[in-house]
Amino acid sequence: DTGVSQDPRHKITKRGQNVTFRCDPISEHNRLYWYRQTLGQGPEFLTYFQNEAQLEKSRLLSDRFSAERPKGSFSTLEIQRTEQGDSAMYLCASSSVRDRSYEQYFGPGTRLTVT
Amino acid sequence: GENVEQHPSTLSVQEGDSAVIKCTYSDSASNYFPWYKQELGKRPQLIIDIRSNVGEKKDQRIAVTLNKTAKHFSLHITETQPEDSAVYFCAASQGGGSNYKLTFGKGTLLTVNP
Repeated sequence: DTGVSQDPRHKITKRGQNVTFRCDPISEHNRLYWYRQTLGQGPEFLTYFQNEAQLEKSRLLSDRFSAERPKGSFSTLEIQRTEQGDSAMYLCASSSVRDRSYEQYFGPGTRLTVT
Repeated sequence: GENVEQHPSTLSVQEGDSAVIKCTYSDSASNYFPWYKQELGKRPQLIIDIRSNVGEKKDQRIAVTLNKTAKHFSLHITETQPEDSAVYFCAASQGGGSNYKLTFGKGTLLTVNP
């Protein structure tokens, strides 16, 4: 499968625990995005990378959230001291600067449940 | 920042009828407008997109129209089929420079009744 992959697909954690999610973009896609989607809502932008540089982070994003893309390939999203309000689907997407269509390809998501 | 409003939130049509979903956006700098289809439990998938230098784009039964002056764009699905049933999201982006993030509407649940 050459699409965007995410791991794990599901995560159940207790409030206060830290969690980390991984995203593997389509090979050679240099842009990578993280979005969060809650039930009945559209995806909400969290942050985005061009290669290894984090170029934008949502002002709504708590300091408990951090993302990295150390070698410009896969990315991780960490949530520290999880809260029940963090329960959501976390979606990763990638796109290519060489692809003038601007299309973002989404992964299957990681569903986080905080109990 | 950009704000995208989407209507209606739910839409039910009979198979073979047309469906229209409308979105408005607030940021005049936005110039890329994709539509995504999301089936239950699956990832969003792009079905059609349009850029601001084009007023209309068609792909078989799907078309999108854009009115930049009024800041609204619409998705048109003709000859609907049960497999068109899904949640549809519109989005807007500046699509260039350093700002590629998508701002999504809240979605429209389309149900096509056989």
